[in-house]
Amino acid sequence: KAGVTQTPRYLIKTRGQQVTLSCSPISGHRSVSWYQQTPGQGLQFLFEYFSETQRNKGNFPGRFSGRQFSNSRSEMNVSTLELGDSALYLCASSLTPPGQGFTGELFFGEGSRLTVL
Amino acid sequence: AQSVTQLGSHVSVSEGALVLLRCNYSSSVPPYLFWYVQYPNQGLQLLLKYTTGATLVKGINGFEAEFKKSETSFHLTKPSAHMSDAAEYFCALYGNNRLAFGKGNQVVVIP
Repeated sequence: KAGVTQTPRYLIKTRGQQVTLSCSPISGHRSVSWYQQTPGQGLQFLFEYFSETQRNKGNFPGRFSGRQFSNSRSEMNVSTLELGDSALYLCASSLTPPGQGFTGELFFGEGSRLTVL
Repeated sequence: AQSVTQLGSHVSVSEGALVLLRCNYSSSVPPYLFWYVQYPNQGLQLLLKYTTGATLVKGINGFEAEFKKSETSFHLTKPSAHMSDAAEYFCALYGNNRLAFGKGNQVVVIP
């Protein structure tokens, strides 16, 4: 069974540009969460999608957005990039979403490492 | 608010020695607690979890953790460190429909 797949693995952008990251969850998993990982802040929750609906959102500015498609694949977008957006962006999937019998086990992809110059 | 505290960002341990990583939590409801491990250039992998029931939980690669409600702790241990245990370890708490992670412990194993 294939794991969570994230693309691209590495990318470099300049300030002011925008970026789109993609995540394909484990087959059958309908919940997808996104996390930002930086050395200073650690792992911070961005948002979570289930059945194409954003069900939960962390404390990030509106420049960070996401969506989920009918096949459960998800994308996140960051507009007007800032230097501080440089991070590893991790996607995680789960069989059941938070609040519906979910016990917290997430399956993570290897991440997309974004560098903003 | 739900939160997790991991002290000591870097932990050095000799090969064959005890690995002990400390995790304390704050939660207004019975917690679901987790330890995840992250190897270089990889995502996070679940080591073990506590939801309900037995307070001593065993995970993969010889790790175990004990939930102590009175101490609000969920410390991770492994009796004998192996070189392959070098990684970053995160304690996490499930609450408010999301996982809250600690800052992590970077474990270095000294031959």
